[in-house]
Amino acid sequence: DTAVSQTPKYLVTQMGNDKSIKCEQNLGHDTMYWYKQDSKKFLKIMFSYNNKELIINETVPNRFSPKSPDKAHLNLHINSLELGDSAVYFCASSQESGLIKYNEQFFGPGTRLTVL
Amino acid sequence: GNSVTQMEGPVTLSEEAFLTINCTYTATGYPSLFWYVQYPGEGLQLLLKATKADDKGSNKGFEATYRKETTSFHLEKGSVQVSDSAVYFCALSDQGAQKLVFGQGTRLTINP
Repeated sequence: DTAVSQTPKYLVTQMGNDKSIKCEQNLGHDTMYWYKQDSKKFLKIMFSYNNKELIINETVPNRFSPKSPDKAHLNLHINSLELGDSAVYFCASSQESGLIKYNEQFFGPGTRLTVL
Repeated sequence: GNSVTQMEGPVTLSEEAFLTINCTYTATGYPSLFWYVQYPGEGLQLLLKATKADDKGSNKGFEATYRKETTSFHLEKGSVQVSDSAVYFCALSDQGAQKLVFGQGTRLTINP
């Protein structure tokens, strides 16, 4: 009954490879996010999608491409992985529709990506 | 742009000590303010929130008051436990852009 789930939990890969991280939420939320947490624990938003439409793209390299096949899923594909991409990636979701004011974001457990 | 500044960690306290983690923010408009907690190896969980000035958020013995005059949202707990050891993040909502802006996080360790 996990609210926001991510796979895989750990991902170790070589520089130059292409990899994907998947995220699913079963909360019925209309907005999903990807955050990157670096080695110093600093968290920064990368993307957000509302009803499958891209809302935020925070100057992330083109090698990162999010895809939202439906409201419950937001996947992150990374091409040509670099050493600096090593981080923990968190997916999150929230309900942002209509007159409802800004709501709590629910986070997944994170995917630790290590690029060798 | 909007930003959040937290007190630098790590913070180490003994069990039953009083805790304060400072958080100040810079924002246009009227953001909502949040404290999130990250336990080792886990994702972030919302600890408490406040959506307007003078609101007090509270949960699990933690409290924080939205102070517009000092642009602060300090986290406090009267008597900490070992199980409170975690990284704490202060955040604000950038309502126009539907995103959270996080502080740098404060690692808290409570010793028995």
